[in-house]
Amino acid sequence: DSGVTQTPKHLITATGQRVTLRCSPRSGDLSVYWYQQSLDQGLQFLIQYYNGEERAKGNILERFSAQQFPDLHSELNLSSLELGDSALYFCASSVGLAGRETQYFGPGTRLLVL
Amino acid sequence: AQSVTQPDIHITVSEGASLELRCNYSYGATPYLFWYVQSPGQGLQLLLKYFSGDTLVQGIKGFEAEFKRSQSSFNLRKPSVHWSDAAEYFCAVGATENAGNMLTFGGGTRLMVKP
Repeated sequence: DSGVTQTPKHLITATGQRVTLRCSPRSGDLSVYWYQQSLDQGLQFLIQYYNGEERAKGNILERFSAQQFPDLHSELNLSSLELGDSALYFCASSVGLAGRETQYFGPGTRLLVL
Repeated sequence: AQSVTQPDIHITVSEGASLELRCNYSYGATPYLFWYVQSPGQGLQLLLKYFSGDTLVQGIKGFEAEFKRSQSSFNLRKPSVHWSDAAEYFCAVGATENAGNMLTFGGGTRLMVKP
C-alpha cells in the first residue's frame, strides 16, 4: 500500500459524458501527479500540482482539467469523453519538487468509455 | 526532451534463472532514473532509483541496476528469478523541467516466469 488513494476504482460511462477522478496523496506530500496508461500510448504524464498550484503540464488534452484543493487532494476532470479516453488513470504523489524524489503511485482508476 | 527505450516488450525466463531487463534513456543532463514494477491490476511500485553516487544501485526484492553513462543505460538485474516476479517492469527518467518533475516512462517489459 503506497498511501495514495484513488476513487473510484472503476468507471464506466458513455461518449460525450464528463467524469471526475479523485486522488488523496500520502500524508505530508505536497506534489500530486496524474498519469494516463493506455495500450497505444503507454504511460504518459498529464499534469502536476504542487501545494495547490499547477507546476507542469504534459500531454493533457484541453478536454481534461485538474485541480488540487487546500487539503491537497486532487481531482482530474475529463469531459466530452471519447472512446479513446478509455485508460487507466494513475495519481502519484511526492514530498516536493525535486526530480530525485520518489513518486508513489495509487492503484489507479480504470475508465471505460462506451 | 527526455525519452526512455525498453527494447524488449516480452521476456520469458525460467524460475531460478538470472534476469536482465534493458533500459536506454536520452536526457541532456544528469538523469534521475527509476525502475517500477506493475503487477496485474495493481499500481506501480518503486524497485530502485539512481540520482548520484555509486552506479550500482540495490533495490527491493533482490533487484539491482547499474547506471552506465557512456551507454546511456540503466539495466535492471536479478540473479535468481522467482515466480512472483512475473509482472510488467517500467524504466523511467525524471527531470525537473519548467519547475515540475515529471516522469517519462519506457514502454515497459512484460516478464513471464516458467516453472
